[in-house]
Amino acid sequence: KAGVTQTPRYLIKTRGQQVTLSCSPISGHRSVSWYQQTPGQGLQFLFEYFSETQRNKGNFPGRFSGRQFSNSRSEMNVSTLELGDSALYLCASSFIEGYEQYFGPGTRLTVT
Amino acid sequence: AQKVTQAQTEISVVEKEDVTLDCVYETRDTTYYLFWYKQPPSGELVFLIRRNSFDEQNEISGRYSWNFQKSTSSFNFTITASQVVDSAVYFCALSLPNAGGTSYGKLTFGQGTILTVHP
Repeated sequence: KAGVTQTPRYLIKTRGQQVTLSCSPISGHRSVSWYQQTPGQGLQFLFEYFSETQRNKGNFPGRFSGRQFSNSRSEMNVSTLELGDSALYLCASSFIEGYEQYFGPGTRLTVT
Repeated sequence: AQKVTQAQTEISVVEKEDVTLDCVYETRDTTYYLFWYKQPPSGELVFLIRRNSFDEQNEISGRYSWNFQKSTSSFNFTITASQVVDSAVYFCALSLPNAGGTSYGKLTFGQGTILTVHP
């Protein structure tokens, strides 16, 4: 089975711009979660989707949003980018919530 | 509130030594899941183990073993006869139900322990 895929792998944006990241889960997995990883804050949960519904949300500002499509693929969007949004964004999928999450390689976002 | 503490920021060992990575968690929930993940230099998080709160049985998988003790809220990870390929950042994580009890999809991670195994 193919693993979790994320596109793009690297992205450079300017402050104030917006960005959309994409995640394709493992086939058959219906739960998709997003995490932000930075050297200072570590791994922080952004949100989780299951069957196109947001089930969990982390403590991030409203500039961070996401959605899930009927084929379980997910996107996250960050509007009005700030320098502090520079991070590795990781997507993970699982068969059912609570089961082990399998992570993709991440999207490295750099905001200048 | 939930919290995961990995007190060891960095550990350095010589190949073939045994090493234990500590993980202490905080929660008032009775049903939860615990996980360990490995992040090698390549950056991708690799799943190692999942445990639910009702299963305190220790587990061994090859050179890896896990000790879950609810009495001390700990879920420690031991690598026996470490190898250079074990060098990575190891994360312990906790999953609790959401407000509606409909999902355990949020992982709360510890800060990670950087393990370096020298030849």
